[in-house]
Amino acid sequence: DVVMTQSPLSLPVTLGQPASISCRSSQSLVYSDGNTYLNWFQQRPGQSPRRLIYKVSNRDSGVPDRFSGSGSGTDFTLKISRVEAEDVGVYYCMQGTHWRTFGQGTKVEIK
Amino acid sequence: EVQLVESGGGLVQPGGSLRLSCAASGFTFSSYSMNWVRQAPGKGLEWVSYISSSSSTIYYADSVKGRFTISRDNAKNSLYLQMNSLRDEDTAVYYCARVPMATTGPLWGQGTLVTVSS
Repeated sequence: DVVMTQSPLSLPVTLGQPASISCRSSQSLVYSDGNTYLNWFQQRPGQSPRRLIYKVSNRDSGVPDRFSGSGSGTDFTLKISRVEAEDVGVYYCMQGTHWRTFGQGTKVEIK
Repeated sequence: EVQLVESGGGLVQPGGSLRLSCAASGFTFSSYSMNWVRQAPGKGLEWVSYISSSSSTIYYADSVKGRFTISRDNAKNSLYLQMNSLRDEDTAVYYCARVPMATTGPLWGQGTLVTVSS
């Protein structure tokens, strides 16, 4: 089974400052079709999850452009260019190449 | 309105059964693969099961394999999860989700709480 490891697990950030979350997979996420099915989800307190990014770096509709995804193979990153108050919540990476596996989650809070 | 609405959650004793339903509206349900994802209280997300648009492909997490059965009725725009031999560790909010891996268009329900306890 593919294991997804996120770091840090807790991320205190200052409003207006950048934030970065790392996600590492235990094996390559490149699928046989050449695509890499790595997703990022946001879950605000008391809400259902919401996907932000699919295939490493593609933003879903309605997602602010301050969110960006990058990486390849086994190492991936979600970046928030300038954190806003509404970004507080837990962020999960999820691989869709080898069935489906979530990372443990990274809790983003305001300092 | 494009939405997914889960129902069927509740309190059940260990070893019991429960059937969750998810009603889809506002989009062509039969064109999309669907999923069940759960979240235990205070814990992270766990993918439970996947079913392709035509029901030809089905996957289960190892933690539920042999106990849970996913199905769909495209004529009724509905997704189901039959849960048997329930255990304490199955206690969670269960989400119905449309999450295409290759394109945009994800959609989640509000979740339904399943509590397994004596």
